[in-house]
Formats: sequence, C-alpha cells, structure tokens
Amino acid sequence: AQSVSQHNHHVILSEAASLELGCNYSYGGTVNLFWYVQYPGQHLQLLLKYFSGDPLVKGIKGFEAEFIKSKFSFNLRKPSVQWSDTAEYFCAVNAQNYGGSQGNLIFGKGTKLSVKP
Amino acid sequence: EPEVTQTPSHQVTQMGQEVILRCVPISNHLYFYWYRQILGQKVEFLVSFYNNEISEKSEIFDDQFSVERPDGSNFTLKIRSTKLEDSAMYFCASSVAEETQYFGPGTRLLVL
Repeated sequence: AQSVSQHNHHVILSEAASLELGCNYSYGGTVNLFWYVQYPGQHLQLLLKYFSGDPLVKGIKGFEAEFIKSKFSFNLRKPSVQWSDTAEYFCAVNAQNYGGSQGNLIFGKGTKLSVKP
Repeated sequence: EPEVTQTPSHQVTQMGQEVILRCVPISNHLYFYWYRQILGQKVEFLVSFYNNEISEKSEIFDDQFSVERPDGSNFTLKIRSTKLEDSAMYFCASSVAEETQYFGPGTRLLVL
C-alpha cells in the first residue's frame, strides 16, 4: 500500500533561515508528487507538483522541491523563510497507472512550520 | 481565480442524525473528491467521483456515506447516521483531470 512519511512534526525557524522539509513515499510504481500548504484558517493550497521531467521543481512563493527517485523522496526547500510562511505543509502522492493517474491523494501527516520574526 | 467552496463551514449534529455537506467545485472541473481529517491525524481520501458515478472509494467510505451531484454545480457528501468518530474536517476537492486537485476550505463536523 502507498504511504507518505513526513518526519518533522513541528519545525521552528527564525526569519531568513533556510528550510528543508522531508517527505518520503512508499510505492512500487510511478507517482505524481505534490506539496500543499495550509495557512492558519485557510484551505489547502497547491505549492508545487512533480509529474515527470526535471526532478527539481519550482513552486510559488520561492519554494522548490527535488524528486530523488532512488531515495523515494520529495523534499521541500526554501532558501530564506519569512514570517508569512508560518503554516502547515503536506506532502502527497498519487499513483500513475496505464490509464493515467489514480485520483486519490495519499497525504503525509503534515509538518507545522513556525517562523519567528 | 476560481475556487472550490464548501458549506457549511461548521456543523454540529447529534449522533445518529443525517448530515449533508455541500461543495461547489470549480466550474470546468470533471473530477470530484471528498477527504477528511480527524483532528491530529492525516488527511484521508474518502471517495472520488467522475461522470456521475463513484470511481474510487476508500475503506472509510462505507454504507453510511453517499455522494451525489444533484445538479450541474453542487457535489454533496451525505452521512446517513452520524457516529462520534465521524467528527472531522471534511474537504472537497476538484480537478480537471486526475492530477492536480484543488481543495475547498473544509467543513468542520462535530458529532455529539
């Protein structure tokens, strides 16, 4: 069965610090990979996604993620965080199959990021 | 920018009562989903819906749950007889194809 692990439950950083949030998935086939963000009181928003091609993908607000197939990882990075990045970050995957993608997203538990001004 | 909307934002109900959660997906989207997140736990897939029928469902989506697209815009999740453990945040999502899903703000359901 597919699963997604996010190893950090809560990360606390000062402004301008660099961020890396880990995400590992377990699935034997080809996957699509996503990072979603949930700002306080708001809904899940797509930060970035990887389907194929360049394993380094850039998303909104200066975020990027690198897909490392050999490590089954899709870590999220940002070189310099801001107070406004305080949010919960969710990694998610869905499987690619012969008919296209399977619909259901499998989510990690989420990582709360708190950025101190 | 078009968004998925959900109503109500909060719902409190008594155990055993029926609830209907409503969603308006983005207008040109063809795939619709429900997820839930019990407090402190992962977001979990419930069901996906395409072409007026369920395309996938999880083990959570038992006979107490049903989905419907009663008209061209709404997508509903019905829980026939709520249980305490149904208390959760319920998210609706929609997508053009079975790839990037856009989520609504959620309905927080509390079963007493």
